[in-house]
Amino acid sequence: GQNIDQPTEMTATEGAIVQINCTYQTSGFNGLFWYQQHAGEAPTFLSYNVLDGLEEKGRFSSFLSRSKGYSYLLLKELQMKDSASYLCAVTDSNYQLIWGAGTKLIIKP
Amino acid sequence: GAVVSQHPSWVICKSGTSVKIECRSLDFQATTMFWYRQFPKQSLMLMATSNEGSKATYEQGVEKDKFLINHASLTLSTLTVTSAHPEDSSFYICSATGQGESSPLHFGNGTRLTVT
Repeated sequence: GQNIDQPTEMTATEGAIVQINCTYQTSGFNGLFWYQQHAGEAPTFLSYNVLDGLEEKGRFSSFLSRSKGYSYLLLKELQMKDSASYLCAVTDSNYQLIWGAGTKLIIKP
Repeated sequence: GAVVSQHPSWVICKSGTSVKIECRSLDFQATTMFWYRQFPKQSLMLMATSNEGSKATYEQGVEKDKFLINHASLTLSTLTVTSAHPEDSSFYICSATGQGESSPLHFGNGTRLTVT
């Protein structure tokens, strides 16, 4: 079956760095997305990785290792507004999007 | 950037009535739109995939006669919840893709439906 695993919840301190991991087992791979979702709102696109390596975009970076079926989202200089759920999603060989359950990130002052 | 508009943001209706939710891509043509529902503290659950000009493809367990999806143009898809019941109360979200099969999804702001 197809499966995406990410931690249910993480806590970090304002100003610090946090890494949210995502591992996947899917039938084929055509890209991995990270989305941010604040409570009661729709998800917003953060990043897209299709090749191995690190993609940096401001305070957020996303890493992919296709051979390991692994990705992480790195958030630097954490702000209170970063408190949200972070969803990992993988596009399989049929370009179907498989969603992880999301990681709730709690930022403490 | 790409914008998807979803309307209404919230709606309260009585049991037995029908509710229509609109999803529009404002600055790009969306050949494919997706409809999700999300229960509190849970991830997105794909309900159906909507392709312009053709019938929607529903996920297993989703009643196509209850959740009517129309995608009449490249910029508009609608979801109609027919004969709504309290258990249909949920957060419904649409999304759309632009060009390319690996384009990121752009989400509408979601519609919170409460059925009394």
